[in-house]
Amino acid sequence: NAGVTQTPKFRVLKTGQSMTLLCAQDMNHEYMYWYRQDPGMGLRLIHYSVGEGTTAKGEVPDGYNVSRLKKQNFLLGLESAAPSQTSVYFCAVKTPRDRGLLFSGANVLTFGAGSRLTVL
Amino acid sequence: TQLLEQSPQFLSIQEGENLTVYCNSSSVFSSLQWYRQEPGEGPVLLVTVVTGGEVKKLKRLTFQFGDARKDSSLHITAAQPGDTGLYLCAATSYGKLTFGQGTILTVHP
Repeated sequence: NAGVTQTPKFRVLKTGQSMTLLCAQDMNHEYMYWYRQDPGMGLRLIHYSVGEGTTAKGEVPDGYNVSRLKKQNFLLGLESAAPSQTSVYFCAVKTPRDRGLLFSGANVLTFGAGSRLTVL
Repeated sequence: TQLLEQSPQFLSIQEGENLTVYCNSSSVFSSLQWYRQEPGEGPVLLVTVVTGGEVKKLKRLTFQFGDARKDSSLHITAAQPGDTGLYLCAATSYGKLTFGQGTILTVHP
């Protein structure tokens, strides 16, 4: 997971509390993503960004907000946490692996180590 | 909604056995990746396939992309305990990446 750092790794919240997850990359790539991973459901896209100052909704955006003020950082916020948001959150950066893939349209992702959030 | 169905969801085998994991969809994809995830870590890319019928080998792992680019398989020969983990397929169609629900593989010594 070198190059993509997530903080914090673990957090326990009470219902209604707010918090922010930070994702930092040192690879200077444009595209960054936030996913949540729940048992039996794979990875679901929450929000993503195609560059500094831009964000867009993914598959499951409700209850989350994001910001990309600096190219290196992508923040995921929970304004009022709910138990349904208990999950493991992963940040990812789009990183083409080789010249051929640059022209194939393949979305290759490098993931952070994850942030485990529990909402009581 | 594009769906990727992985099977089986769980696989528990003995060291030395062979296994195959499948990733199927009714959609056509421009590319497909396989990732492996260990507990407490993020997924790590194993391979990307982009051409229908393509076969790639990574040591004891063989990946195949279906001729119609709607499905893929991952075959592991002589599985080892170090192969234990969650295997995820992920496919791209019209710029959108979709993940399968994953296959949890446990290889017992």
